[in-house]
Amino acid sequence: DQQVKQNSPSLSVQEGRISILNCDYTNSMFDYFLWYKKYPAEGPTFLISISSIKDKNEDGRFTVFLNKSAKHLSLHIVPSQPGDSAVYFCAASEGGAQKLVFGQGTRLTINP
Amino acid sequence: KAGVTQTPRYLIKTRGQQVTLSCSPISGHRSVSWYQQTPGQGLQFLFEYFSETQRNKGNFPGRFSGRQFSNSRSEMNVSTLELGDSALYLCASSLEAFGTEAFFGQGTRLTVV
Repeated sequence: DQQVKQNSPSLSVQEGRISILNCDYTNSMFDYFLWYKKYPAEGPTFLISISSIKDKNEDGRFTVFLNKSAKHLSLHIVPSQPGDSAVYFCAASEGGAQKLVFGQGTRLTINP
Repeated sequence: KAGVTQTPRYLIKTRGQQVTLSCSPISGHRSVSWYQQTPGQGLQFLFEYFSETQRNKGNFPGRFSGRQFSNSRSEMNVSTLELGDSALYLCASSLEAFGTEAFFGQGTRLTVV
């Protein structure tokens, strides 16, 4: 039973445009959500997080939106840059970052 | 401030052997979690240690075990290795407070032959 799902295995976006990565979850007990960026053979790098008491969080070019009623979150990257090309994972947890449930990842490719 | 350090970076082991991986968390972080990444299963939670006690455990067989020392450094052990244990093993450390992120190490790439 996959509690966190990223239904798009890949996404291709032109440089300078907006990248939107989506994530759905099924466990209503999740109250903390994170996005990580990952390159092959490296550990995930934290990007941005949001708790369930908020519906939006921004950090520079990255914005995460949370729709609790739909159990859906999305990551917006504006403007997209070539260095953003990587695999993006969303993760969810109950009560903190100690036990994360990850989605399967979305490979983002930014085209010049 | 130093990040999460995992050693070794790469390992090749034979089926049936055992292996120990090490993780040094960020200074001040007392929670250490371990994850396994494989192409088929993605990133899966193995277990979490806090103050030398295992607090959470994922759905892995008993061949996977771990421990944490008083300085928060952690080790994980896999006994009787199987080919399917080939994976990238990642360690993450975090503060105890809600709303803080987990920082990951570079991982240990284990290949079982």
